[in-house]
Amino acid sequence: AQSVTQLGSHVSVSEGALVLLRCNYSSSVPPYLFWYVQYPNQGLQLLLKYTSAATLVKGINGFEAEFKKSETSFHLTKPSAHMSDAAEYFCAVSGGGGSQGNLIFGKGTKLSVKP
Amino acid sequence: SQTIHQWPATLVQPVGSPLSLECTVEGTSNPNLYWYRQAAGRGLQLLFYSVGIGQISSEVPQNLSASRPQDRQFILSSKKLLLSDSGFYLCAGRANYGYTFGSGTRLTVV
Repeated sequence: AQSVTQLGSHVSVSEGALVLLRCNYSSSVPPYLFWYVQYPNQGLQLLLKYTSAATLVKGINGFEAEFKKSETSFHLTKPSAHMSDAAEYFCAVSGGGGSQGNLIFGKGTKLSVKP
Repeated sequence: SQTIHQWPATLVQPVGSPLSLECTVEGTSNPNLYWYRQAAGRGLQLLFYSVGIGQISSEVPQNLSASRPQDRQFILSSKKLLLSDSGFYLCAGRANYGYTFGSGTRLTVV
């Protein structure tokens, strides 16, 4: 079975500070990993995805994530936070087998950005 | 590219009333389709998925059902809503390891 753990349900940073959102996964097969962002009452927007190519993945809005197999991690970072980054972020792993490749999500991390 | 259309955006329904949420897909054919529910602090829970017309798999036994009458149409239904059915419902489509989400429906059962 596959699973995702996001460490920290709430993260608060100051504008201009480093953003680090943590994600660890469990998978018995090589995973595909995703980060999504959700603004209030909206759907999920893909930030970036890892599909077994380069381990450092660059996404939209200045975000990037590094796949570390030895640590089973896929942490999301952004060098300098902007007020518009305040949202909820979800890490997900692509499942296989019986669920036909559906996404298995972490519980999400709400990012607050202080001026 | 794939686009997921979902409606309505918000819905307030009394307990015991029926429900029908519709999702349509544009831009791809024969996608895998998914219904997720999001409750506060609980992340996204997969409710149903479909790999083709008439093929529905349920992940969680509950008061809801799903149907796929056409390749690009996925419907979430209930005969009698419960208070616990309140939440944010998201439809998603998968094609070539790209997952696209609709804008969601906020359902409040009163």
